[in-house]
Amino acid sequence: GQNIDQPTEMTATEGAIVQINCTYQTSGFNGLFWYQQHAGEAPTFLSYNVLDGLEEKGRFSSFLSRSKGYSYLLLKELQMKDSASYLCAVRAQGGGFKTIFGAGTRLFVKA
Amino acid sequence: EAEVAQSPRYKITEKSQAVAFWCDPISGHATLYWYRQILGQGPELLVQFQDESVVDDSQLPKDRFSAERLKGVDSTLKIQPAELGDSAMYLCASSRTSNYNEQFFGPGTRLTVL
Repeated sequence: GQNIDQPTEMTATEGAIVQINCTYQTSGFNGLFWYQQHAGEAPTFLSYNVLDGLEEKGRFSSFLSRSKGYSYLLLKELQMKDSASYLCAVRAQGGGFKTIFGAGTRLFVKA
Repeated sequence: EAEVAQSPRYKITEKSQAVAFWCDPISGHATLYWYRQILGQGPELLVQFQDESVVDDSQLPKDRFSAERLKGVDSTLKIQPAELGDSAMYLCASSRTSNYNEQFFGPGTRLTVL
């Protein structure tokens, strides 16, 4: 089967750095995604990792370790608008490609 | 910038009634997804189309849910009859192909079943 775990909620301070972890178990791994979802809105794409290592994109970075089934999303210089849910999603190949989403981590940024 | 369109944005219905949601993906996107998202949870894939063909509907409750994409462009998701537990956000997404590195989501349809 497939399983994705991430913390339910996190709180951080404006201007700080926060790391959101995601662990997964899947067969046929074909990449890991991070999406941002503000309350009542649709998810928007943040990052994609398929090889081990760190991918940096502005204030956001994503890391993947395939051998450990582990990823994290790093948010730097936090802003109030970063308050949102962050969804970890894994794509697996098995008779086609299928993307499985985790339950998401709600991030609260306080002043 | 091209977007995925969905309608209606909100739907309130009584249990046992029929409801239908419509999605128009980004032009040229071959893969279309319907997800259901219950409050506080991540999106759950209901059905995935490649052009007009269903490639995954393993999580679709086929006794009451149906989906079609007749011409391989826009798509309709139907629930008949609706149940209280169907209250959720229904999200449509599209991607160029099934292994493309990004899915683009529409604004969703918020369904409330009374």
